Amino acid sequence: GENVEQHPSTLSVQEGDSAVIKCTYSDSASNYFPWYKQELGKRPQLIIDIRSNVGEKKDQRIAVTLNKTAKHFSLHITETQPEDSAVYFCAASAPGGGYNKLIFGAGTRLAVHP
Amino acid sequence: ETGVTQTPRHLVMGMTNKKSLKCEQHLGHNAMYWYKQSAKKPLELMFVYSLEERVENNSVPSRFSPECPNSSHLFLHLHTLQPEDSALYLCASSQAPGGGGNTEAFFGQGTRLTVV
Repeated sequence: GENVEQHPSTLSVQEGDSAVIKCTYSDSASNYFPWYKQELGKRPQLIIDIRSNVGEKKDQRIAVTLNKTAKHFSLHITETQPEDSAVYFCAASAPGGGYNKLIFGAGTRLAVHP
Repeated sequence: ETGVTQTPRHLVMGMTNKKSLKCEQHLGHNAMYWYKQSAKKPLELMFVYSLEERVENNSVPSRFSPECPNSSHLFLHLHTLQPEDSALYLCASSQAPGGGGNTEAFFGQGTRLTVV
């Protein structure tokens, strides 16, 4: 089955710096790669996703890149702000079955210091 | 509250108790999921229901029993749990498009379960 590895487990940056989180997946059939942000005591919420037919997607300060050949994808946050502090999860999902079998990475705890 | 709602938010139960977690989604989705979130571990997929049928059971012990009476409601029945089952249990829902492509999963706030 699918296995998703995520690094680093913790990341500490100064406000205004960039943050990069990397994930690798094992199932070459996976074609959907969402990123979720979970603030303390809150539910995971989707911040950006990418499908296997594109290599990069950007939404304001957040971007995701996908390398299908190497089976890895990354989250890039530029101009970080204290409110970006949270746990970020990557996930991968393969098509079929009529449902979304998301397999998650272990998470990255991002701390942005003012 | 709109979206995905879970009750209770917190639950403490003894190892001999029987309790149930409830999830309700108001998004018109046709797939619902139970995930377990333990400290320093990935979110673990437990069960998937698609069109009210159980389609995935990821080697979950039988002391966890899911139920999906309709497309809007999902339950997780708990009995004779162990302390290591203490975790945050998250419900999610998504809409499966006809083409089979995957879409966003919306999560509930979770139930923080403590087994004593």
